[in-house]
Amino acid sequence: TQLLEQSPQFLSIQEGENLTVYCNSSSVFSSLQWYRQEPGEGPVLLVTVVTGGEVKKLKRLTFQFGDARKDSSLHITAAQPGDTGLYLCAGAAYSGAGSYQLTFGKGTKLSVIP
Amino acid sequence: ETGVTQTPRHLVMGMTNKKSLKCEQHLGHNAMYWYKQSAKKPLELMFVYSLEERVENNSVPSRFSPECPNSSHLFLHLHTLQPEDSALYLCASSQDLWGFSTDTQYFGPGTRLTVL
Repeated sequence: TQLLEQSPQFLSIQEGENLTVYCNSSSVFSSLQWYRQEPGEGPVLLVTVVTGGEVKKLKRLTFQFGDARKDSSLHITAAQPGDTGLYLCAGAAYSGAGSYQLTFGKGTKLSVIP
Repeated sequence: ETGVTQTPRHLVMGMTNKKSLKCEQHLGHNAMYWYKQSAKKPLELMFVYSLEERVENNSVPSRFSPECPNSSHLFLHLHTLQPEDSALYLCASSQDLWGFSTDTQYFGPGTRLTVL
């Protein structure tokens, strides 16, 4: 069974601060996705990282895939109240019969206080 | 608005009731999924359909019964549920069954289910 551990589980910070959340596993994934889920809504895909060591930037969000493709991080610079939400990482692994399956972490609940 | 809608958004039911959750996708996708999201647990994949055929059932109790009449609609029929089945039930769709590790799933807003 592949598991993804996310840390921290909860994070409450002031507007303007920087933060990093982590997603770790002992398994290798073909790709890793980050989602943000706002209260009352479903998860929305932010980014997919595929290559070990890959770094992707989305405005103030920086995503990194570990060299061994077992872990990932999300760094937010100058957090804003609009960044509040549940951040989920999900690893894709080949499950056979020509398809992949996503394994999700439990998520990091971020609150940015104005 | 992701193009995936779910109804109802909230549902309260007793353990002896029978109810159904509905999902509709307007994206022309061929694969649809049911997930369960409980507090303090990762998202759990329940069922996968590709071109209206069930391709995966992750050991889900028989009190949950999915139905996919066409590639745009997905139902989850519920009967004799337990309080521990209370959760957010999410529907998702993707262009095709996950043939590439970079495929994207689009999630609906979910149905918040409470079983009394």
